[in-house]
Amino acid sequence: KAGVTQTPRYLIKTRGQQVTLSCSPISGHRSVSWYQQTPGQGLQFLFEYFSETQRNKGNFPGRFSGRQFSNSRSEMNVSTLELGDSALYLCASSLEAAVSRDTQYFGPGTRLTVL
Amino acid sequence: DAKTTQPNSMESNEEEPVHLPCNHSTISGTDYIHWYRQLPSQGPEYVIHGLTSNVNNRMASLAIAEDRKSSTLILHRATLRDAAVYYCILRKGGSEKLVFGKGTKLTVNP
Repeated sequence: KAGVTQTPRYLIKTRGQQVTLSCSPISGHRSVSWYQQTPGQGLQFLFEYFSETQRNKGNFPGRFSGRQFSNSRSEMNVSTLELGDSALYLCASSLEAAVSRDTQYFGPGTRLTVL
Repeated sequence: DAKTTQPNSMESNEEEPVHLPCNHSTISGTDYIHWYRQLPSQGPEYVIHGLTSNVNNRMASLAIAEDRKSSTLILHRATLRDAAVYYCILRKGGSEKLVFGKGTKLTVNP
């Protein structure tokens, strides 16, 4: 079974631009979560989607948004990019939503650099 | 969010067992204890999880204290491929959100 895939793997943008990152979960998985990883803040939860609905949101500004499609694929968008948005963005999928014993499977991440 | 406390770093020799501790004194009755690890340049990888009883799988063992205020991840024979940052996470029921701490960076010496 194929793992979680994220595209693109690397991205370079300039301040003020916007960016869209894509995540394809493991086949059959319905929940997709997004995380941001930086050297200073570590891994931080962005948001989680299940059945095309956002179920949970982390403490990030409204410039960070996402959506999920009927096939469970998910995208996240960051508008008006700032230098501090440079990070590794990780997507994770799981079979169900909000099951505390469930395992999350992470993709390799998209490395975003904002110049 | 319930917090976990882990040592910043630990070192081990290849082929020896490694015990990675985690304190979670504010754990609630329905919190599952999850361990993930992140190898260099990769996304986090699930290792093991448990609720009250000790757990074993092909990767590791998880020993949970009787009062559940601490747990220990045990790698029975460390290999160079086990060098990674190990995260101990409390997973609340009703949430997909994983709250990562700083984790423990494990160095395995040949």
